[in-house]
Amino acid sequence: NAGVTQTPKFQVLKTGQSMTLQCAQDMNHEYMSWYRQDPGMGLRLIHYSVGAGITDQGEVPNGYNVSRSTTEDFPLRLLSAAPSQTSVYFCASSFGQDYGYTFGSGTRLTVV
Amino acid sequence: AQSVTQPDIHITVSEGASLELRCNYSYGATPYLFWYVQSPGQGLQLLLKYFSGDTLVQGIKGFEAEFKRSQSSFNLRKPSVHWSDAAEYFCAVGGFSGTYKYIFGTGTRLKVLA
Repeated sequence: NAGVTQTPKFQVLKTGQSMTLQCAQDMNHEYMSWYRQDPGMGLRLIHYSVGAGITDQGEVPNGYNVSRSTTEDFPLRLLSAAPSQTSVYFCASSFGQDYGYTFGSGTRLTVV
Repeated sequence: AQSVTQPDIHITVSEGASLELRCNYSYGATPYLFWYVQSPGQGLQLLLKYFSGDTLVQGIKGFEAEFKRSQSSFNLRKPSVHWSDAAEYFCAVGGFSGTYKYIFGTGTRLKVLA
């Protein structure tokens, strides 16, 4: 059982480049979310999904897009990378509100 | 608006000593409450959760937490800390009015002295 798999683990982008962070889970979880973690700020929700075809914005959605075409996959797209998007990104999934999340191991992104 | 506060940024304890990490939340009803642990370079791992019933909940790795409605708190405790408990700990709340959002605190970094 792989859990939540994030790729890549590390990435360096130039300002203005675009890229997609991949997230896949094999637990048949309906709920999936993307968070970014910055020092002293905890985890902030970027986008989340309550099932295939359904997504919504979190507290810091600007500059990011998501889609959920299948239950398993929830990719995060950076449209035009900016230095302010330098962060560690975590994907997480859950059966429901009261189950808690299973987290991926994260993607460390640096935008230069 | 809902919020979560972890007032201690850093805590240092000696191995074998007891530990209490504080978490306070702001929400009109009883939320779903969670504690997570993050080791360096790793993702977050769920330690324990509360959403109803007995206000003292047991988790993995010997941790427990107590929900106190009157104080809007959900403090994490461990009777005897091991060196391997050194990590960052996050409190999180969810279950707001049917949404599926969770709010995380800013974390408490635990250092354990040998």
